[in-house]
Amino acid sequence: GIQVEQSPPDLILQEGANSTLRCNFSDSVNNLQWFHQNPWGQLINLFYIPSGTKQNGRLSATTVATERYSLLYISSSQTTDSGVYFCVGGSARQLTFGSGTQLTVLP
Amino acid sequence: DAGITQSPRYKITETGRQVTLMCHQTWSHSYMFWYRQDLGHGLRLIYYSAAADITDKGEVPDGYVVSRSKTENFPLTLESATRSQTSVYFCASPTTTPGLNTEAFFGQGTRLTVV
Repeated sequence: GIQVEQSPPDLILQEGANSTLRCNFSDSVNNLQWFHQNPWGQLINLFYIPSGTKQNGRLSATTVATERYSLLYISSSQTTDSGVYFCVGGSARQLTFGSGTQLTVLP
Repeated sequence: DAGITQSPRYKITETGRQVTLMCHQTWSHSYMFWYRQDLGHGLRLIYYSAAADITDKGEVPDGYVVSRSKTENFPLTLESATRSQTSVYFCASPTTTPGLNTEAFFGQGTRLTVV
């Protein structure tokens, strides 16, 4: 099945800093999503982005499907951005999670 | 309300007991998935279903049983719970428009503790 790799595994930032999270996938995908898992454990859907670029406030994402990677950008980070960010790739038949990036934003 | 819901949200059970986690979706999507999330392992696929009465094993199926008699429901049963099955369980269902991209929707999770 498809492999999904995320980097970095851990990231510590000072509030206000910018960051880039990366997701590499081993094969072409019909689904590529970014989730934020909040402190209560809920998976919050950030972007559905099998290709192209999307922006939502301070967050944006870009997927280059031909090169099999996706990037999540967080600008002007806030302490509430802390948590685990997951990339999920695959198709309707198979959704594979990356191992996640643990983001800690310090005040 | 439209969406995907899991129940219960929290469950404590004893070793050896049978417990069933419920997942319900309102869209009539074909595919449904069950994942478990453990520290150090991320989310791993337990079982999935392509349609009513069609199920298949994922990465970590041992100790679990699923059924799908109706498209909207996908219960996950632990026939004899063990402490190693203490975890957070997520149900998911992607849209499935043939030939087009899909988007997955996740339930809120069920936190199961086996004592």
